[in-house]
Amino acid sequence: GDSVTQMEGPVTLSEEAFLTINCTYTATGYPSLFWYVQYPGEGLQLLLKATKADDKGSNKGFEATYRKETTSFHLEKGSVQVSDSAVYFCALSEGATSGTYKYIFGTGTRLKVLA
Amino acid sequence: EPEVTQTPSHQVTQMGQEVILRCVPISNHLYFYWYRQILGQKVEFLVSFYNNEISEKSEIFDDQFSVERPDGSNFTLKIRSTKLEDSAMYFCASSESRQGGYEQYFGPGTRLTVT
Repeated sequence: GDSVTQMEGPVTLSEEAFLTINCTYTATGYPSLFWYVQYPGEGLQLLLKATKADDKGSNKGFEATYRKETTSFHLEKGSVQVSDSAVYFCALSEGATSGTYKYIFGTGTRLKVLA
Repeated sequence: EPEVTQTPSHQVTQMGQEVILRCVPISNHLYFYWYRQILGQKVEFLVSFYNNEISEKSEIFDDQFSVERPDGSNFTLKIRSTKLEDSAMYFCASSESRQGGYEQYFGPGTRLTVT
């Protein structure tokens, strides 16, 4: 079945460092891909999305490109801030084959940014 | 900005008791979901709901679970006889459409602790 694999955390970086969180997926069809962020005590918030191959999603300085050839959707940010400290979830939604659009999530990666 | 709300934020119950977790989805959304996250594990899909009936349910969603939309605003998840392994964070989500590119909006979650 469909699955999402994320890099293990936690990831600890200094402020202004470059961030990459790896995400790879397995899907039978053509999924849409998402990154969600969860700040402490809050729900999951959509960070960015891409719905087809080679699409780049971007928001708040974060970017991720839908790479069909490598089945990846890695999250990047050029310069992280302390306020980016959160848990990041990669997810896919594929319904064209299954007929449903439930999300399949990765395990989440905790990011801690130090001042 | 519209948001999904969930109550209570934390529920403690004894094994064998019934619990009802409540959610108020975004008002113009038509598709509703429940997910759960056992501590340290992946966010897992439980059930999707549309037009007053279940669209899809996972293997986790057995006869102990039920969902209901009792009025025009609430969406509930009932666990009839809780088990220790039901302890988890439960997230409600809603979406405007179930097409792959439409994101799901998540609530802040209810932490269920079964003792």
